[in-house]
Amino acid sequence: DAGVTQSPTHLIKTRGQQVTLRCSPISGHKSVSWYQQVLGQGPQFIFQYYEKEERGRGNFPDRFSARQFPNYSSELNVNALLLGDSALYLCASSHRQGNYEQYFGPGTRLTVT
Amino acid sequence: AQKVTQAQTEISVVEKEDVTLDCVYETRDTTYYLFWYKQPPSGELVFLIRRNSFDEQNEISGRYSWNFQKSTSSFNFTITASQVVDSAVYFCALALVKAAGNKLTFGGGTRVLVKP
Repeated sequence: DAGVTQSPTHLIKTRGQQVTLRCSPISGHKSVSWYQQVLGQGPQFIFQYYEKEERGRGNFPDRFSARQFPNYSSELNVNALLLGDSALYLCASSHRQGNYEQYFGPGTRLTVT
Repeated sequence: AQKVTQAQTEISVVEKEDVTLDCVYETRDTTYYLFWYKQPPSGELVFLIRRNSFDEQNEISGRYSWNFQKSTSSFNFTITASQVVDSAVYFCALALVKAAGNKLTFGGGTRVLVKP
C-alpha cells in the first residue's frame, strides 16, 4: 500500500505570498494532521482533521488554515508568508480519531525569501 | 502543558557500539502515549514504537529496546550493536489522550552519527 504522499516536495515563495500544500493519507486512514518542523527542531503540531472536521489546533496564527476533503486528502494554506514560515511541513495520517499511531509523509520543504 | 526533553543533541559512535538516547517528559495527565520516531536524511519520520502510560514493561525489537520508567518520567531508547544505517535524528514524542486532536508533542531530537 502507498504511504502518505505530499506535494509539492519543494517550494520557494516570497514574503507576503500565499501557499497551498497537499497531502493524501494512507488508504483507509480518515485522520490527517499537519506539523511544522523548523530546521534543527522537533515538529510542531498545527492542525488535525478527522471526517472533514477540525479536531485540534496548535499554537499557530490565523494565517494558517486547512481543510479535509471527502476522500480524506487535505490541504494546508498559509497566507501572508513570513521568513519564519520557512520549514519542512509534514503531514501524518492515522486510522481514526484517538488513534495516536501516526504515519508521516516525506514533507514539503517551504523556503520563504 | 506537556513537554518532552531530549537533552542529548548529538551522539557519535563507532559501528557496533551501543547507544542510548534519553527522553524525559512532563505531564500532569495520567493517561498518555509515548513514541519514538526516526528521521533519516530523507526527512520522513518513521514510526518505531508506541507505549501507553499503563504499560511499563520494557520492550525489545531486534536491536532496539525501550525502557519506560514512570517514576522518573523517562522513556529511553537503546540501539544495540549500532550500524551505519542507524544514522538519523531520533525524536521522542508524547500524546495526551484527553487533548483535542491527535496531537504529538515532540522533543528537540537527538542526532545519531554511526561511523564505520
